[in-house]
Amino acid sequence: QVQLVESGGGVVQPGRSLRLSCAASGFTFSSYGMHWVRQAPGRGLEWVAVIWDDGSHEYYADAVKGRFTISRDNSRNTLYLQMSSLRAEDTALYYCARDDAGLGNNFDYWGQGTLVTVSS
Amino acid sequence: QSVLTQPPSVSAAPGQRVTISCSGSSSNIGNNYVSWYQQLPGTAPKLLIYDNNKRPSGIPDRFSGSKSGTSATLGITGLQTGDEADYYCETWDSSLSGCVFGPGTKVTVL
Repeated sequence: QVQLVESGGGVVQPGRSLRLSCAASGFTFSSYGMHWVRQAPGRGLEWVAVIWDDGSHEYYADAVKGRFTISRDNSRNTLYLQMSSLRAEDTALYYCARDDAGLGNNFDYWGQGTLVTVSS
Repeated sequence: QSVLTQPPSVSAAPGQRVTISCSGSSSNIGNNYVSWYQQLPGTAPKLLIYDNNKRPSGIPDRFSGSKSGTSATLGITGLQTGDEADYYCETWDSSLSGCVFGPGTKVTVL
């Protein structure tokens, strides 16, 4: 069965960096695009970034462009999100999600999320 | 502020039907596919509708999706207490070169 397990969250001071990981299993990881989506406490879903199946293309939300980098290691079935220059408004539960490779960007499987808290 | 617009909340009695609208523009809904997600309290979102009107395996046919022009609609018939959740529309925005979610709609079963 498809499983996505995020890790790496925690409490970090403003301006510092953090790297999130998403371990994938139960499917051919290298065949699917992958996304990061976040949700601030009590707020709605916010798309963060996407990386294509082969890592050849990346796209970012304006709110994180230039500060966050999405990457993947297909040999390790792992997705990453390198976050730098963190701000209080980056505090959120971060989900990784698989793109079903259909006609649209459909997030067919989600992890349980990892919580990032940016606070001094 | 999302580029997509959804009503903050909708409500109906058990067994009734509700619809949730998602309004956008030609740079997003008008020229891209729409998906819908259900998020029950304290859980990760779940894909309900993809490619405008398709249901993943295991999603009951009480849930339906449609798209016309720059708007999309999620319909839920035979409303059940277990349908109480937040619902989000999502699509690609060609101007932003990224995915966008609607602000979400809370469904309450009276």
